[in-house]
Amino acid sequence: GAVVSQHPSRVICKSGTSVKIECRSLDFQATTMFWYRQFPKQSLMLMATSNEGSKATYEQGVEKDKFLINHASLTLSTLTVTSAHPEDSSFYICSARVWDRGQSSPLHFGNGTRLTVT
Amino acid sequence: SQELEQSPQSLIVQEGKNLTINCTSSKTLYGLYWYKQKYGEGLIFLMMLQKGGEEKSHEKITAKLDEKKQQSSLHITASQPSHAGIYLCGADIGGSQGNLIFGKGTKLSVKP
Repeated sequence: GAVVSQHPSRVICKSGTSVKIECRSLDFQATTMFWYRQFPKQSLMLMATSNEGSKATYEQGVEKDKFLINHASLTLSTLTVTSAHPEDSSFYICSARVWDRGQSSPLHFGNGTRLTVT
Repeated sequence: SQELEQSPQSLIVQEGKNLTINCTSSKTLYGLYWYKQKYGEGLIFLMMLQKGGEEKSHEKITAKLDEKKQQSSLHITASQPSHAGIYLCGADIGGSQGNLIFGKGTKLSVKP
């Protein structure tokens, strides 16, 4: 159980175009989804927290107009990288959990998306 | 800002040898999670520790959380090539949304 599906796994796009990444929880309802970015040999850096039906909460330094997040349902969150530039090339990975402060549960991760902007 | 220190950064061991990876926080944690990642792929959940002094095992992997809930170790017994990968510790620091912060990871290579 607790499978998170992320699509696409790899995408190459031209500078200036937009790219949408989907994150789905397949067998559970995710009240909260998290979007992370990972640079080579670096840790995962939280970009934003996505809650179903409300605006995403972005971490300091992350441009909300550039990284659009939509959490339309309890099983789907999307990240759109708008007007992508080469410096946006990275590994993006989503995670989801059923969050209840009274009961801890692990984050379940998608397989990530390798974005290359040419 | 809160950080997790993970050591060593990389580790090369001979198959059959034991090894330990450490994860240290400057503050008390609400929970500590261990994950394994293969390069360019997602994270596989290994174990979750919440209570001070807690220890969990799965197959040949044992994780412990110290009494103060600031340090955790991951121990692999009789390592195998299948254990190779990047091990990441993630910590619940009490954020309102329940996100985790991560260490930089330990790259484990197991020589046959």
